[in-house]
Amino acid sequence: ILNVEQSPQSLHVQEGDSTNFTCSFPSSNFYALHWYRWETAKSPEALFVMTLNGDEKKKGRISATLNTKEGYSYLYIKGSQPEDSATYLCAFIQGGSEKLVFGKGTKLTVNP
Amino acid sequence: EAGVVQSPRYKIIEKKQPVAFWCNPISGHNTLYWYLQNLGQGPELLIRYENEEAVDDSQLPKDRFSAERLKGVDSTLKIQPAELGDSAVYLCASSLGTSGRADTQYFGPGTRLTVL
Repeated sequence: ILNVEQSPQSLHVQEGDSTNFTCSFPSSNFYALHWYRWETAKSPEALFVMTLNGDEKKKGRISATLNTKEGYSYLYIKGSQPEDSATYLCAFIQGGSEKLVFGKGTKLTVNP
Repeated sequence: EAGVVQSPRYKIIEKKQPVAFWCNPISGHNTLYWYLQNLGQGPELLIRYENEEAVDDSQLPKDRFSAERLKGVDSTLKIQPAELGDSAVYLCASSLGTSGRADTQYFGPGTRLTVL
């Protein structure tokens, strides 16, 4: 059974703070890692698909890094805003599989 | 471009009743997915379609769940009869199907099912 762990489970920050969270996955037989943002009552929104060790992706104030050798990815948010409040999900695909295996998510709350 | 459409958004039923969820993927997307998300958990794949063919239904509880994707476009997921433990969010997603496993999946807003 593949284990994808996300930490912390929840996080409260003040507007303007920068923050980061972690996604850990099996380091063997890596294929791809996806990050999604899911705001309450909305559709999960794709942020990044990462496939190469050392990949860094950026979208506005959000960026992500990938270390496939040690099995982790970091998501960074610079200067958090209340509209960044959401659950951030990562999903791992192993080589030889077609299936996304999701973590439980990190719930971010940004207080004004 | 319209996103993935799901209906209904919310459904409350009594146990042992049937229920159906509908999904219309993004136009041109060949691959369609149904996921189940239990409270506090990440989404889990129930079934994946490539056009009208179900290519992975290994996680679909076939005694009570069924799905179809007629003509390779929209899809219906059915539960009959529903049990208390089926209360969850049912998500539909679609992807182009051109980049294989690295394809971005685009999700609908989900249907929140409550079984009483």
